[in-house]
Parts: sequence; C-alpha cells; structure tokens
Amino acid sequence: AQSVTQLDSHVSVSEGTPVLLRCNYSSSYSPSLFWYVQHPNKGLQLLLKYTSAATLVKGINGFEAEFKKSETSFHLTKPSAHMSDAAEYFCVVTLTGGGNKLTFGTGTQLKVEL
Amino acid sequence: EAGVTQFPSHSVIEKGQTVTLRCDPISGHDNLYWYRRVMGKEIKFLLHFVKESKQDESGMPNNRFLAERTGGTYSTLKVQPAELEDSGVYFCASSQDSWGVAQRIFGSGTRLTVV
Repeated sequence: AQSVTQLDSHVSVSEGTPVLLRCNYSSSYSPSLFWYVQHPNKGLQLLLKYTSAATLVKGINGFEAEFKKSETSFHLTKPSAHMSDAAEYFCVVTLTGGGNKLTFGTGTQLKVEL
Repeated sequence: EAGVTQFPSHSVIEKGQTVTLRCDPISGHDNLYWYRRVMGKEIKFLLHFVKESKQDESGMPNNRFLAERTGGTYSTLKVQPAELEDSGVYFCASSQDSWGVAQRIFGSGTRLTVV
C-alpha cells in the first residue's frame, strides 16, 4: 500500500522569501514521486518528478524537491517566492514502473504576500 | 495544441437529480482517466479507459456512477441520482500510453455541488 501526507494544508510566505512545502510518503516498493500544481481554474500541471534517478530533482518555475529515503520525504522548495506561485500544490506517489494508481496528498494551498 | 477540456466547469443540482459531466481528451490519447476530489480530501482515482474499454473501474464509488466512452473519443460521467456526498471536483486526464504518469494531462475539472 502507498500513501502520501502533506503536512501543511496552508502555507503563507512573503514574496522573495523561500518556499517549503512538506510531503512524506509511505510505499512498500520503490516509489515514483511527483509534485503537481493547480492554479485557479486551471488543470493540474506537473512541476517535477522523481523516478529513482538523481535524488535532487529540478522542476519548472524554479522549484526543486529532494527525495530522502531515510526520512521518507519529498519536500518541495523554491529559493524565492513569486506572486505567481500562489496556487495549490499536490504531492503524488505511485509505484516505480508506471501503473495507473496515483495516490494524491490532500494538497497545500500556498499564499504569497507582498 | 488543445488541452483536456471538461464541461461544465461548474454544476449545481439538487439531491436526486441526474448530472452528466463530459471530458474531451487530447486528440490521439487512447488513455482517459477520471478522478474526484471531495471537499478537503485528497484526489482519488475513479476509473481508466483505454480507447472505449474500461481498463480499471475499481475507484468508482457505487452504481450511481456510470462512465462511458463511446467511440473512444470523449467520455461522460453520469451521476444518477446525485447525493450530497457526491459534491466535489471531478478531474479528467488523458495520455497516449498508460505507463508514463508524467505524460498525463489534466483538465481543469468540473465542480459539482449537490444541494
């Protein structure tokens, strides 16, 4: 069985400060991990993915995430928040090798203030 | 290239009524998925089509939900009769193959409110 926990339902940062969105996972096998973002009235967009290659993964819009097996974590970070980063972010896990069963976290709403 | 299109974007219906949601996948995508997010909860898988065939419908909550994909193009998800707990956002996604999760393109969802 696999599961994912997003530790914060809401995160608020000031523009220009770092962003940290936390995600812990549970998986019996080698997982693939993803971060998706949803801006208002838009579809879910893939930010980045980890599929057993490099543990530090770089994504779009300056985001990156580090896979830490010992901590079962896949936290999403960005050095400097921009107003356009305000959105909801989802951490997703699935079994390495594909398959259809995406397991989503409950989402973290990121607010960016001036 | 057009994305995955879902309509309506919003629907408000009374308990006991019927609602049909539609998803138009990206042209040429054989795989089509439906997901649902109940308020405050995680997004959950409902079912997966490969062309017109249901590959996996293990996530369908009960027999009030009926999904079709006649001709292997667009898909509909009908809820009949709707209950209060069916409220949520229904997402559709499509992809060319079923293995590449990263290639799965999501629509913007239909927000269903049952009152």
